[in-house]
Parts: sequence; structure tokens; C-alpha cells
Amino acid sequence: DAGVIQSPRHEVTEMGQEVTLRCKPISGHNSLFWYRQTMMRGLELLIYFNNNVPIDDSGMPEDRFSAKMPNASFSTLKIQPSEPRDSAVYFCASSHTGPTNQPQHFGDGTRLSIL
Amino acid sequence: SQQGEEDPQALSIQEGENATMNCSYKTSINNLQWYRQNSGRGLVHLILIRSNEREKHSGRLRVTLDTSKKSSSLLITASRAADTASYFCATDDDKIIFGKGTRLHILP
Repeated sequence: DAGVIQSPRHEVTEMGQEVTLRCKPISGHNSLFWYRQTMMRGLELLIYFNNNVPIDDSGMPEDRFSAKMPNASFSTLKIQPSEPRDSAVYFCASSHTGPTNQPQHFGDGTRLSIL
Repeated sequence: SQQGEEDPQALSIQEGENATMNCSYKTSINNLQWYRQNSGRGLVHLILIRSNEREKHSGRLRVTLDTSKKSSSLLITASRAADTASYFCATDDDKIIFGKGTRLHILP
């Protein structure tokens, strides 16, 4: 049974470039979450979707960040233009139902480095 | 914010010993979850305890919850090298919020 799949696993790019991170949730899960993890701030929830609809994007740091979920099996997180302070590990997670009470299943993350 | 705070930040113990990690939080919760993260990997769910439960077991894991003290503990018994990881509590009211974790190192 496939888990949450993220791509790429690593991304190194220069500041100002557009970055697109991809996520395939577990089939049958109807909630999807994007997180950012850094040593300083820990694991931060950026946005979550329920049934492909963005429910809470209050964690998205600024307008340079955008996320989409065009269908139940695919989501993207885009940063444009990227900045060095965006360097972090970005995780996607999925779960059944809404954000409460259900265990979340995480992908192995995308390690992003902005030079 | 009702972010959970784990204590200690780091813990090193000998293989075979028990490891105890604590989590404190600030407001009321629906449930509390514990996750493990191995180096370079995503978080893995370990156990969920509901606000009306006081203790829960899963294999070598024992979780307690004291809602009057707004705290939870995770006990790993008979630790193994493979238990070396970071452990996070996640509090859950209207949305799930993770703490910064306890880094556990099991010494051979």
C-alpha cells in the first residue's frame, strides 16, 4: 500500500526562481496538509485541504506561496519568487476526514535549498 | 497558540532502559497524538489519546494524559537502538499543532 509520495526529494535552486513541490496523498484520504519544518520554528502547518477545497491557509507565509489541489490524488505547493529564507523541509500529509481526531500520514518531504 | 511543548529537548539513555518524554499544552483539546520522526524521514503516527482517556498502550509504548495539568507523557519501555528518533506531541482542538519535539538517542 503506497504511502504519501512527494517529489522532488531534494531541490536546490537560486533565489528568484519558481519552485514547485508535488504531493500524491494516500488513496481514499480526503484531507491533505502542507507543512514546513525548520530547526528554528519546528513544524508549521501552511495550508490544509478537505475534499480538494482549501480550508485554512492562515499558515501560508506570504503571497509568494500558493497551493492547489486540482483533484483528489494530486497537490502542488508553489513558491514564486523563492528566497533563501524559504529553505526548509516541506512535508505533505494526508488523512481521513477533517483535521481533527485522525492520524496523519506523512511523506518523506522535499528538502529545499534556496541559494 | 496551544502548541504542545515537549520536555526534555534531548535525551540520551542506554539501550534497554526506559525513556520518558513529556508534553505540556495550554488550552483544552479534543485529543493528543504522538509521532516519531527518524532522520531524513517524515513523521510517523504512534498513538492517539482522547481527552476522556487517561492512559493508552501500544506495544512498548505507554501514553498518559492529565487534562487537569494539561500534560501528557510518552514512555518507551526496554528501549532499542531503532527507537533513536525525534518524538513530537500534537495537540488537537480545531486544528492539529505540533511541538518542537524531543530528540531521543539510544546508546548501545
